[in-house]
Amino acid sequence: GAVVSQHPSRVICKSGTSVKIECRSLDFQATTMFWYRQFPKQSLMLMATSNEGSKATYEQGVEKDKFLINHASLTLSTLTVTSAHPEDSSFYICSARDRVTNEKLFFGSGTQLSVL
Amino acid sequence: TQLLEQSPQFLSIQEGENLTVYCNSSSVFSSLQWYRQEPGEGPVLLVTVVTGGEVKKLKRLTFQFGDARKDSSLHITAAQTGDTGLYLCAVNKGAGNNRKLIWGLGTSLAVNP
Repeated sequence: GAVVSQHPSRVICKSGTSVKIECRSLDFQATTMFWYRQFPKQSLMLMATSNEGSKATYEQGVEKDKFLINHASLTLSTLTVTSAHPEDSSFYICSARDRVTNEKLFFGSGTQLSVL
Repeated sequence: TQLLEQSPQFLSIQEGENLTVYCNSSSVFSSLQWYRQEPGEGPVLLVTVVTGGEVKKLKRLTFQFGDARKDSSLHITAAQTGDTGLYLCAVNKGAGNNRKLIWGLGTSLAVNP
């Protein structure tokens, strides 16, 4: 089955530093990728929709300068948390839509970010 | 306002018990999806229901789509500790590149040995 690889799975960083999270579709091309944030035992909150070759569309209340999204190819999207602070600590998940079917959505296994 | 209301929000039961979780809305959907998510992992698609009144079974899990396609339920028979997780319902909204999943708030299920 289709696989979405998300890396790293866990990262601890100091306050003020930037962290990059990668999301790769391993055996399919994804025109659209999504980035979510999730707190323990709560649902996924969509942060932004990333379309290959164009600027990401951010959900209301999400700071685009804080959460930089790049979708440079059909198989890779990155989320960079800039100048991270403890309140940015969270579980971040990406998902990718199969370009061919444009139907199925495949999820990465998430990245647990802890900002000290 | 929340498009999809899930209930209960939290559920803690003993192994062997049965349970039902609900996903309700005032809107009509062409399809609805159920996911299970374990801690530290991404959500995994369990089933997609598309027809009003449809019932789908996945081993001990029974999914039902309401006749009016506004609500859905997930029933687990003889729950096991491995069923522990966050159960999420979701629907697609929008079209083309603007299509995205709208999520319910989830039901956090703990099955105790």
